[in-house]
Amino acid sequence: SQKIEQNSEALNIQEGKTATLTCNYTNYSPAYLQWYRQDPGRGPVFLLLIRENEKEKRKERLKVTFDTTLKQSLFHITASQPADSATYLCALDMGGGSNYKLTFGKGTLLTVNP
Amino acid sequence: NAGVMQNPRHLVRRRGQEARLRCSPMKGHSHVYWYRQLPEEGLKFMVYLQKENIIDESGMPKERFSAEFPKEGPSILRIQQVVRGDSAAYFCASSPKDLIRGNEQFFGPGTRLTVL
Repeated sequence: SQKIEQNSEALNIQEGKTATLTCNYTNYSPAYLQWYRQDPGRGPVFLLLIRENEKEKRKERLKVTFDTTLKQSLFHITASQPADSATYLCALDMGGGSNYKLTFGKGTLLTVNP
Repeated sequence: NAGVMQNPRHLVRRRGQEARLRCSPMKGHSHVYWYRQLPEEGLKFMVYLQKENIIDESGMPKERFSAEFPKEGPSILRIQQVVRGDSAAYFCASSPKDLIRGNEQFFGPGTRLTVL
């Protein structure tokens, strides 16, 4: 089965800096990879999706890279703000033709200090 | 356009009781997914349903758990004879079509089940 590891449980940075979160996976290569944001007591909110044939995708201050050789995705938040503080989840499809089944990492808790 | 709705938001049950969790997908969405998030764990897929059909229940425990998505009304996740290990946050997500190429899923706020 697919195994996902997100680089650290918690990451603290100063406002204005770039936050970089890592998602590593083992076993098969997913058709796509997604990043979600989860605030305490809330459900995950979709941020970005990147497909296996894409190297990079951007959305406003967010950037995601996908390296299928390294089996790794990097998630960047530039010019970070305290409002970016949340848990960020990496999610992959579970393969085997079941693209609807997502498997999630445990998440990285990002804290942006003012 | 209301998002995915789940109720109750919090549910307390004693061991042996039944828990019923409800999920109303976003308007126009006919695909529903249930996930469970145990403390200190990532979300785990449980079941995928379309109207009146269970498409994939490979993530559901074999006993005590069942799910349905009737033609009318919300999707229901039912846990019979709950045990303490069932305590978790249960999230429902919906999508407007098959995730053939990985479309996003819209998540509800979750139901936090506590078994005493």
